[in-house]
Amino acid sequence: EAGVVQSPRYKIIEKKQPVAFWCNPISGHNTLYWYRQNLGQGPELLIRYENEEAVDDSQLPKDRFSAERLKGVDSTLKIQPAELGDSAVYLCASSSLGASGAYNEQFFGPGTRLTVL
Amino acid sequence: QKEVEQDPGPLSVPEGAIVSLNCTYSNSAFQYFMWYRQYSRKGPELLMYTYSSGNKEDGRFTAQVDKSSKYISLFIRDSQPSDSATYLCAMTRTGFQKLVFGTGTRLLVSP
Repeated sequence: EAGVVQSPRYKIIEKKQPVAFWCNPISGHNTLYWYRQNLGQGPELLIRYENEEAVDDSQLPKDRFSAERLKGVDSTLKIQPAELGDSAVYLCASSSLGASGAYNEQFFGPGTRLTVL
Repeated sequence: QKEVEQDPGPLSVPEGAIVSLNCTYSNSAFQYFMWYRQYSRKGPELLMYTYSSGNKEDGRFTAQVDKSSKYISLFIRDSQPSDSATYLCAMTRTGFQKLVFGTGTRLLVSP
């Protein structure tokens, strides 16, 4: 079974340029997450989707970040314009919708390493 | 103060040593506790998770949760060079899917 697929793996851009990251979750997983992991830190949730609906985007900097999950499968995270502080690894994860109240294991992709110059 | 505190290390041990990794947390509502392993240039992968207090063992790995002290541990027995990675603790509340991660502890196991 294929895992979570992300592309590109690496991206280097100049500040003020736009950038987009793509994620294909594990087949059948209804829930999709975007995390940001700064150097030497743990991942921090940016947005969570259940099917097509963004159910938690409280940590997404909405002035420059946007995300979409069309048809409840693939997702794209965009930054426009990028700032120096956006340099980080952007991780996508997915999980199935299990029993209410239970924890559903999140499977992570390899991430996209973004460098903003 | 962060919700989850974890010593970033690095922690260097010889092959075969017993490794102890720890996290403390402040939110008493956390009920699910996980340990993820992250190799360089890879995404985190789940090692173990525990619900509420107690111990859980899986091969060379043992996870312990002490909710009264808000303290969780991961023990690795007979450590191997292939265990060299960053170990992230994470936790969440019942009914929530948002994980709160520690900073990760970098472990180096030398042959």
